[in-house]
Amino acid sequence: GENVEQHPSTLSVQEGDSAVIKCTYSDSASNYFPWYKQELGKRPQLIIDIRSNVGEKKDQRIAVTLNKTAKHFSLHITETQPEDSAVYFCAARGPNFNKFYFGSGTKLNVKP
Amino acid sequence: GAGVSQSPSNKVTEKGKDVELRCDPISGHTALYWYRQSLGQGLEFLIYFQGNSAPDKSGLPSDRFSAERTGGSVSTLTIQRTQQEDSAVYLCASSLVGGSRGTEAFFGQGTRLTVV
Repeated sequence: GENVEQHPSTLSVQEGDSAVIKCTYSDSASNYFPWYKQELGKRPQLIIDIRSNVGEKKDQRIAVTLNKTAKHFSLHITETQPEDSAVYFCAARGPNFNKFYFGSGTKLNVKP
Repeated sequence: GAGVSQSPSNKVTEKGKDVELRCDPISGHTALYWYRQSLGQGLEFLIYFQGNSAPDKSGLPSDRFSAERTGGSVSTLTIQRTQQEDSAVYLCASSLVGGSRGTEAFFGQGTRLTVV
């Protein structure tokens, strides 16, 4: 099956700096890659996603890039704010709309 | 309802007792997932239902865990003879699968299970 690895496990940045979280996947047939943000005590919520026919997608301060050849995708957050502090999970969905495989999560701390 | 609903929100049970956790997915979503999240940890896959297909049970940690989905909608996760290591937040998610794309997984608020 699919295997998703996520790095780093923790990330601390100064407010205003950029943050980058990277994920790799193993199944070249995976075709959908969402990113979730989980604030303390709350449910994971989708913040951005990308499909395999696109290389980059941007939504205000967040962007996701996908390199299908290398089988990795990354989340970029610019001009970080304290409210960006949370745990971020990447995921890959297998072929035939199969289940979601999640990375182990990155705890982002934005210091004011 | 507007989103995925789970009940109860919190459950405290004695070691050795059985518990049932319920998930109401978003209406019309054919895929339903159960994940377990221990404190400060990632999302551990448990089981996946898709339409009328046989469920993918590959993530269930032991035969004390089982789940069913009745009528393609509500799902119940049952843990028999609970152990302290079962203490975690159990998250349910649903998604729409069909056509050429499908959608992301929408999560419920979770059930926090504490085994004492």
